[in-house]
Amino acid sequence: EAQVTQNPRYLITVTGKKLTVTCSQNMNHEYMSWYRQDPGLGLRQIYYSMNVEVTDKGDVPEGYKVSRKEKRNFPLILESPSPNQTSLYFCASTPSGRAREQYFGPGTRLTVT
Amino acid sequence: GESVGLHLPTLSVQEGDNSIINCAYSNSASDYFIWYKQESGKGPQFIIDIRSNMDKRQGQRVTVLLNKTVKHLSLQIAATQPGDSAVYFCAENMLSGAAGNKLTFGGGTRVLVKP
Repeated sequence: EAQVTQNPRYLITVTGKKLTVTCSQNMNHEYMSWYRQDPGLGLRQIYYSMNVEVTDKGDVPEGYKVSRKEKRNFPLILESPSPNQTSLYFCASTPSGRAREQYFGPGTRLTVT
Repeated sequence: GESVGLHLPTLSVQEGDNSIINCAYSNSASDYFIWYKQESGKGPQFIIDIRSNMDKRQGQRVTVLLNKTVKHLSLQIAATQPGDSAVYFCAENMLSGAAGNKLTFGGGTRVLVKP
């Protein structure tokens, strides 16, 4: 089944404790991205990657890192999480040139206390 | 399921009626306008898009209308069903430059279908 998977689905952590949210897709898509979703603010792009070893900042990249060492994986790293990063995170992928039609994962609910 | 928006405008629709969801967009330079559907506990799902040089596009039970004069986008759902209950987002995409690689989402509208 073609899909985007994220792990973990739910995470509660404390301020400053490094964490990684994994994202994997099995559709051989070149383009992958991370979004955060907050009430009243919709979905905002954090980082995106057009292909292996090619990443760039989205609209809200502060406090986040990403890497793209393999085509299928695009982990989101929070080196020192803070409470304002409490949010619902989505990973998405799409073939190159079709950013308008992205395939989203199921989401990761992160709470930073 | 996940709460995706505590202060979303809500449209209540009787099952079988038609739904119209509206969106005001901001960027006249966008090349595509897109509608996504997000069901509780799931990620957004692409529904339909329309290129900026069109004013209407139809899909299965859905029609998207684009009025560039007033920067307005709408999604019409025919014969609304319980499975249509979700949050609907409009989004914009430009084909050129870095903006061609991202979607800019609107705030969303919650649709509740009453049996």
